Amino acid sequence: NAGVTQTPKFQVLKTGQSMTLQCAQDMNHEYMSWYRQDPGMGLRLIHYSVGAGITDQGEVPNGYNVSRSTTEDFPLRLLSAAPSQTSVYFCASSYDPRTGASYEQYFGPGTRLTVT
Amino acid sequence: RKEVEQDPGPFNVPEGATVAFNCTYSNSASQSFFWYRQDCRKEPKLLMSVYSSGNEDGRFTAQLNRASQYISLLIRDSKLSDSATYLCVVNARSGYSTLTFGKGTMLLVSP
Repeated sequence: NAGVTQTPKFQVLKTGQSMTLQCAQDMNHEYMSWYRQDPGMGLRLIHYSVGAGITDQGEVPNGYNVSRSTTEDFPLRLLSAAPSQTSVYFCASSYDPRTGASYEQYFGPGTRLTVT
Repeated sequence: RKEVEQDPGPFNVPEGATVAFNCTYSNSASQSFFWYRQDCRKEPKLLMSVYSSGNEDGRFTAQLNRASQYISLLIRDSKLSDSATYLCVVNARSGYSTLTFGKGTMLLVSP
C-alpha cells in the first residue's frame, strides 16, 4: 500500500492564482481531512469528509473548497491564493470510527505552499 | 485556557536520559488521547494511544490523569533517534472533526 499520497510536494503561487492540492489514499478509509501547519500554530483542520459525497468545514475553511467524489481522493482547492495561505498542508485519512476503530490519523507527506 | 497545551521546549537531554512531557486539555468530556511524533519537515505519525489505565510500548509510557486533565509521555533510555517534536492530540467529543492537536514539544537528544 502507498498509504496517503499528496501532490505536489512544493508549489509557489502568485496572489490571486488558483490551484488544487491532490490527496489520495489506498487504505479504503472512510474519513479524510486537510490540515494546515504554520509555525507556532500547530495543525489546524481546514475541511474533512466522512465518506464519498460528504464534506464539512473545519476550524479554518475560508478560501478553500473540497469535494469527495470517491473514497480514495480528496482534493483541496485554493480559489484565489493569498499570502496568508502560505503553509504546509497535510492530508490525513482514518478508519470509520462508527465501526469501533480508533481515530488514528495517517498523514500524507505534505505540500509546502508559498504564495507571493 | 487553550484546548490543548504543551510546553514547546526544546528539551535538551543526553543519550540514555529519561525525559517526560505533559500535555493539559481543557475539555473534561474529552474521550480519546494520543501522542504523535513529527520529525523535522515530515508528516506526523502516531506514536501511541493513551488509555485510562496507562500504557507502555517499549521505552515509552503514556499516562492519563482525568482528574487533573493532563496526559504524559515518558521516554526512558533516550536515543539520538528520539529527537523530534511530540504532539499531544485530544478528541474533545465524539466526532471526527473534534481532534485537537497541541503545538508540540521539541526533544533534542545529544550524544
